Parts: sequence; C-alpha cells; structure tokens
Amino acid sequence: AQKITQTQPGMFVQEKEAVTLDCTYDTSDPSYGLFWYKQPSSGEMIFLIYQGSYDQQNATEGRYSLNFQKARKSANLVISASQLGDSAMYFCAMREGRTGANNLFFGTGTRLTVIP
Amino acid sequence: DTAVSQTPKYLVTQMGNDKSIKCEQNLGHDTMYWYKQDSKKFLKIMFSYNNKELIINETVPNRFSPKSPDKAHLNLHINSLELGDSAVYFCASSQDKGTYGYTFGSGTRLTVV
Repeated sequence: AQKITQTQPGMFVQEKEAVTLDCTYDTSDPSYGLFWYKQPSSGEMIFLIYQGSYDQQNATEGRYSLNFQKARKSANLVISASQLGDSAMYFCAMREGRTGANNLFFGTGTRLTVIP
Repeated sequence: DTAVSQTPKYLVTQMGNDKSIKCEQNLGHDTMYWYKQDSKKFLKIMFSYNNKELIINETVPNRFSPKSPDKAHLNLHINSLELGDSAVYFCASSQDKGTYGYTFGSGTRLTVV
C-alpha cells in the first residue's frame, strides 16, 4: 500500500489567494513525522514544514501551515497569499519511528501553478 | 556554505560505462541517503547509511553501490550504466535523533545515451 498519497497531480491558484494541497498517509507506527518539500523548476528540494505525530498543534512556518487531521490520516499543506515564486512541485513525505535511520517516503507530488 | 553538496550537477555518459557521483555534508548528521527521482518526479530511496548500518532498497540493482569513506561523505558508484538509469539522483542527510527531515543536495542529472 502507498504510504503517502497525493491525489492532485496539478493545481492552479490565483496570485494572493490561498491554496490547499492534499496529502493522506498510511502507517501503523504511533510515532511518525510528516513533511512537505518544495521542488522549483531549478530542481532542488526545499524543506517547508514539519508535523510530528504527537504534536498537539498544527505546524506553521510563515505562509505555510499544515492542516493535520490525525484521525483522518491527512496532512494537507495550506499556502496563504500565493506568490508567483510558489509555482513548483510540492511533495508530502513521511518518516516512521522516533529515532534511527528511517527512510523518508514521498508522495507523487502536486504541481502548483500560481496565475498572475 | 552548502550543507549537502553533490558533484557533478550534470553527467552525460554512454551505456556500459562506470561512473560515480560524490556527496558531502557539513551538518554533522549521522545518516546519509541516496534517492532516485524518475522522469515522473517520483522520489524513491536507494540507500541509507550511517556508521553502523547500510540499508539497501532491495529493488536497487547491484550495479549501484554506495561508498562511504567517512561520516561526511557518501558516494554513489554505478557500474555498467543502462539507459534506464537516466534520472536525477539526490543525496540527503539527517540526524538520527529527533524526527526532523532531511537536507537534500541539489541533485545530479544523469543521462545515459
């Protein structure tokens, strides 16, 4: 079974509007971490935001926030006040376990296009 | 001061050749990784390695081998390159303790012709 599912291959958003990128995950491990990465056309992987499975509050980093719904196993990324520079591929990822060399499992990504 | 650096950034080579990609991290992280990103942008773990353990994804052909001269370096050797090896290869590192993510290198675009 897929550990991370991103059902939106592509999304469009008007500049200055907010957009939500969906992510659902599958794990039986009670301890896990959820991540979002941005990959612009230049190709590098940029860490955006992290949510731990035991965190009580939703993570926020500037214009990025993570809508964590544990019972639904979803970890959607919300980008507020979209900018043209937000156009990129966005990957949701999960790391299982609290310590150790645990692998980061990625979803298939969502390509976000910000329209001026 | 790049945290995870990979060289080369681009690599074009003929089928059957042997090539290496180098990776270095200056973050003091315990574990290093190699990921492959295919043409559909899917990222898949190839190896994870720390001082104690090398974990190989069983789907990776044995033509691929990681070499770690020390904790800060994890190079990727590929023997007898095939057309299907064309992809972007990312090196990454992470701290074992804690639940934070990885720091990625800028990627190496390998093209086998």
